[in-house]
Amino acid sequence: SQTIHQWPATLVQPVGSPLSLECTVEGTSNPNLYWYRQAAGRGLQLLFYSVGIGQISSEVPQNLSASRPQDRQFILSSKKLLLSDSGFYLCAWKGRREDEKLFFGSGTQLSVL
Amino acid sequence: AQKITQTQPGMFVQEKEAVTLDCTYDTSDQSYGLFWYKQPSSGEMIFLIYQGSYDEQNATEGRYSLNFQKARKSANLVISASQLGDSAMYFCAMREVERDDKIIFGKGTRLHILP
Repeated sequence: SQTIHQWPATLVQPVGSPLSLECTVEGTSNPNLYWYRQAAGRGLQLLFYSVGIGQISSEVPQNLSASRPQDRQFILSSKKLLLSDSGFYLCAWKGRREDEKLFFGSGTQLSVL
Repeated sequence: AQKITQTQPGMFVQEKEAVTLDCTYDTSDQSYGLFWYKQPSSGEMIFLIYQGSYDEQNATEGRYSLNFQKARKSANLVISASQLGDSAMYFCAMREVERDDKIIFGKGTRLHILP
């Protein structure tokens, strides 16, 4: 069966420090991959999505970047975190069939201090 | 630009009553899909229901049904016989088939079920 791993679960980082969040999917191949951010009590903002290795679509101009070095690995990075980067980050994957649902990881709560 | 609008930030409903959560979407695409997800306080995202733009019948999954009105671009979620465990945040989302399966979410509705 398919599973999605996202780590760490919580992270506290100082302003200006780098960030790397990793997400891996097991049990499927060639998934679509997504990164979302949720501010406290708010909706999910799509940050990046990818349909294949090295193919990244960026939705929001900001100091974050994403990479997909392998088929089932999606990495969210920043060189220098801002206070506004705090939030709940969710990775998700979806298969290629039309009616397949989006499967989410358990999320990373990032606090930038 | 493609957009999902959920106009109800919060709702209070008596247990066992039916609930309708509103969702409207904006797209010029012919092919798209609509999802509803539930997010309890744990933060987990739970899939509830999916409707494709070419599906003629409204989707149903147990106590959940999606009232799909294509001409009005609305995709309301109906929960029948609400339960205390239905208290959560609910998100409507749109899958943009013609844009590499980009999936965008609305801002959500926080549902409180009262005993």
